[in-house]
Amino acid sequence: DAGITQSPRHKVTETGTPVTLRCHQTENHRYMYWYRQDPGHGLRLIHYSYGVKDTDKGEVSDGYSVSRSKTEDFLLTLESATSSQTSVYFCAIRQSQTSPLHFGNGTRLTVT
Amino acid sequence: AQSVTQPDIHITVSEGASLELRCNYSYGATPYLFWYVQSPGQGLQLLLKYFSGDTLVQGIKGFEAEFKRSQSSFNLRKPSVHWSDAAEYFCAVGAESGGSNYKLTFGKGTLLTVNP
Repeated sequence: DAGITQSPRHKVTETGTPVTLRCHQTENHRYMYWYRQDPGHGLRLIHYSYGVKDTDKGEVSDGYSVSRSKTEDFLLTLESATSSQTSVYFCAIRQSQTSPLHFGNGTRLTVT
Repeated sequence: AQSVTQPDIHITVSEGASLELRCNYSYGATPYLFWYVQSPGQGLQLLLKYFSGDTLVQGIKGFEAEFKRSQSSFNLRKPSVHWSDAAEYFCAVGAESGGSNYKLTFGKGTLLTVNP
């Protein structure tokens, strides 16, 4: 899938614990994105990055933070997980502003 | 702000029948438009994209889409559906302008069921 690896693929965690999801790319693309997918809501953008150390919020960024210290890695952190953050999380990369997104296979997160 | 509407949550067609999935977008400038397909438990795969030029674009798996600026639409079509086309389909719109507006906005998806 376009050189994108998400880890872990599945995770179960308890309410109140911090969680970090990792997205690793081998394509050297500038743009990276985190989306969450929930039934009836489609994909909603959490955060995105347009370069190393350059990030911005999406439409559902509350409770999430991101970091991008090098081109190939984009980390998504749930500072204190809540049950409403149970979801499937997709990372995507994009070569340029006129390129389509290429998606990873997703991380299924369950917060109990 | 850009937005995408997919009016049909769920569509059922018979194998061999034609298919049209609707997508309407809202964006002030020239949009970039995409259709993606997602099979259960999988990531999203790009079917086709429109940036400029010919308003009828061809994609993979025999799909095509037509950009109609006057109707703010980018409907996806296939002349003859196969059972393997059963999946969820997402339309997305991106921005032409620069600055920090690098986002793609997705519709909520249309689930396609194919009857034998």
